[in-house]
Amino acid sequence: GAVVSQHPSWVICKSGTSVKIECRSLDFQATTMFWYRQFPKQSLMLMATSNEGSKATYEQGVEKDKFLINHASLTLSTLTVTSAHPEDSSFYICSAKRQLGIDTQYFGPGTRLTVL
Amino acid sequence: DAKTTQPNSMESNEEEPVHLPCNHSTISGTDYIHWYRQLPSQGPEYVIHGLTSNVNNRMASLAIAEDRKSSTLILHRATLRDAAVYYCILRALSYNTDKLIFGTGTRLQVFP
Repeated sequence: GAVVSQHPSWVICKSGTSVKIECRSLDFQATTMFWYRQFPKQSLMLMATSNEGSKATYEQGVEKDKFLINHASLTLSTLTVTSAHPEDSSFYICSAKRQLGIDTQYFGPGTRLTVL
Repeated sequence: DAKTTQPNSMESNEEEPVHLPCNHSTISGTDYIHWYRQLPSQGPEYVIHGLTSNVNNRMASLAIAEDRKSSTLILHRATLRDAAVYYCILRALSYNTDKLIFGTGTRLQVFP
């Protein structure tokens, strides 16, 4: 099956700093990548959809200036949490799919962010 | 987006079959039924999907009601590694929106 990796798997940072999370499709080209956030004991919440070479589409209530998404190549998307605060502490998960249509989404293992 | 309703939790013993129900009474004709599962501290994993006919793969079977308003994910022989949260998701086939909206899912506990 298709493999998606995330780096780092966990990160601890101080309040006010920015953190970048990478999402890579290792053995396929991903035309579309998705970013989710999951708080403890809750379900995944879609944050944004990004297509290679174009601006990300953010879900309602997600601040695009706080969560910067870049999808510069067909195998890499990055999420930067700018000026992180403790309330941004969460499990961030990306997914990728190969083409339009009904192709399944392949999920990364997630990145646990803790903001002190 | 059409919504799904699943029980919050279910229990099973190892090596027994498990039937995980999902109601989706507002499903539209172009909605596919997808199942994903999420093991603790991991990203979700694709399990199976279908449109109208029942589907089988190496992981599970998907039984879809004739009116498509409900479906059941079947694990034929539960193992301890099947303990996870199972999400039933309706996915519209659209070139404009291709996103997955996760509900609360069903937490499956498997006992030895």
